[in-house]
Order: sequence, then structure tokens, then C-alpha cells
Amino acid sequence: DAGVIQSPRHEVTEMGQEVTLRCKPISGHNSLFWYRQTMMRGLELLIYFNNNVPIDDSGMPEDRFSAKMPNASFSTLKIQPSEPRDSAVYFCASSFFGAGDEKLFFGSGTQLSVL
Amino acid sequence: ILNVEQSPQSLHVQEGDSTNFTCSFPSSNFYALHWYRWETAKSPEALFVMTLNGDEKKKGRISATLNTKEGYSYLYIKGSQPEDSATYLCARDTGTASKLTFGTGTRLQVTL
Repeated sequence: DAGVIQSPRHEVTEMGQEVTLRCKPISGHNSLFWYRQTMMRGLELLIYFNNNVPIDDSGMPEDRFSAKMPNASFSTLKIQPSEPRDSAVYFCASSFFGAGDEKLFFGSGTQLSVL
Repeated sequence: ILNVEQSPQSLHVQEGDSTNFTCSFPSSNFYALHWYRWETAKSPEALFVMTLNGDEKKKGRISATLNTKEGYSYLYIKGSQPEDSATYLCARDTGTASKLTFGTGTRLQVTL
């Protein structure tokens, strides 16, 4: 398996623009997580899905952020409109919940810069 | 302890030194404790997932212990090498579909 695949690797956009981050989890995993990494807060959970259903989105900063998982092999995180304070590295991770060893497998991240 | 806390924040050792760092977490609603290694410009990689009080796991020169009653875990690195330089994250798992709460990490730098 190629692991968790995220795209794009880097995104530079202007304030007010819509940004869409994409993630393909590891085949067979039933949980998917979106994390944001910043200097101030470290690695913080934004939202996670179990069996394609959003379970907890309490970490989503505000209504400008939305996430979807239309099927088991794809998820998006959308920011509309984007703001400079959204600049961060966004990680997607997946795991198999129920295996007894639910370690996360992370993608390589998307470095987002909002100018 | 209300959140996952790691200490020290950063550590600078010389090659060959052995070192250890601490992860403290709330002992209530405990399911598992994860350790991840995060190299610069890469993504975090799982080292250990520990569930039982008194558990000890080892991977090469790296080992970890767990005390769920008092809410702490230690990570040890024996004979540090430059390639061990990374940020080491711990995360508490309450068992809710692997929802993890991460600490801010210990940044280790090993020099020759």
C-alpha cells in the first residue's frame, strides 16, 4: 500500500479564496482524521470520521471549515473563505479502529500559506 | 493533569548518550497511550501503542514504559545517534474510534 496520500503538498493562495485539501486513506482503514499543526498549538484534531461518518467535528475552528468523506477512499477538507491565520500544515491520518493497535498512519501533509 | 503534557520541551544530547523523556496524561478514561516519532519535513510515524499498566515496549534502542494509575509514560533512547534527532510525540487515546489527544512533543537533537 502507498500509505495515506495527500494533495497538494503545498498550496499558496490569497485571502478570501477557497482551498480544498484532499486525502486518500490506506485501503481497509475505517477511521480518518484531519489534523492541523501550528507552532502555537502543536498537532490539533480538527475532525474525524469512522466508516465515512463524521463523529466529532468539535475541533473545526469555525464555519469556514468543512470536511466530507463521500466514500471509504476519499476525503476533503475545505476552507472558504481562507484567511492568513489558516496558514499551517494540515495532516490527514487513517487507522483501523477495532484492531487493538489503532496507531495512526499519517500522510505527508499539505503546507498551506494564505497571503 | 487535564491535558497531555510532555517534558522536557527540547533536549540536546551528544552521540552515545542515553536519554529519556516524560509524557503525563489524565489517568481517567484511559484506553491507550501512543508514541510517535516526527522527523523534520516528514510526517509522524508510530513507535508504540501501549494499553496495559506496567507495559514495556522496545524497538531497537528505543523503549517505553507505561503507568496508567498515575498517568505517565517514559520513552528511553539508549546510545543516542544523530538519526534519532526528531520530535517525539505522545498521545492519549480514550478509545473513541482512536481519537487521540497529542502532547506538544519533546524535540531531541543528537550531535556528534
